[in-house]
Amino acid sequence: AQRVTQPEKLLSVFKGAPVELKCNYSYSGSPELFWYVQYSRQRLQLLLRHISRESIKGFTADLNKGETSFHLKKPFAQEEDSAMYYCALWGYSTLTFGKGTMLLVSP
Amino acid sequence: NAGVTQTPKFQVLKTGQSMTLQCAQDMNHEYMSWYRQDPGMGLRLIHYSVGAGITDQGEVPNGYNVSRSTTEDFPLRLLSAAPSQTSVYFCASRSTGLAGANVLTFGAGSRLTVL
Repeated sequence: AQRVTQPEKLLSVFKGAPVELKCNYSYSGSPELFWYVQYSRQRLQLLLRHISRESIKGFTADLNKGETSFHLKKPFAQEEDSAMYYCALWGYSTLTFGKGTMLLVSP
Repeated sequence: NAGVTQTPKFQVLKTGQSMTLQCAQDMNHEYMSWYRQDPGMGLRLIHYSVGAGITDQGEVPNGYNVSRSTTEDFPLRLLSAAPSQTSVYFCASRSTGLAGANVLTFGAGSRLTVL
């Protein structure tokens, strides 16, 4: 079975502070990992995926197979980053989500 | 393209009533799925389908039925609604044509309240 763990329910930071949203996974095969974001009252949308190794809206995430982690980072948080962030793993024909971390960025 | 369209956006039911949440996509995606989103629980997979005529259970299938008669549509049926099914439901689809691109496109969600 696959599992995604996001240990923090809420992360509150000030504007300009660095942000790290943690994600750990459990999967027997080669994982395919994603970060999805849900802004207030909007649908979920893809933020980034590990295969692309891209930076979106200043966010990056690196897959660490040794630590089975895929933490999301941003060096300087902005108020518009406030949202719910979900880490997800694709495996066995399904996408499994973590429970999500609410990021609040205060001015 | 409209993407993934869900109806209704809001619904209130009484315990024991039945209803169908509709989901349609116009991207010719083979794969479709239903999730429920509950506070503190994240998104949990209810049912999914890898193509017309094929469905399978996810993590929380009890109390829900699905069918997939066409590529475009994937309705979710609640046969006898219970208060525990109060949730926000999301439909999502994915193209199986691109290797390594297992990205889901989500609908706007359907908020269901069961009294």
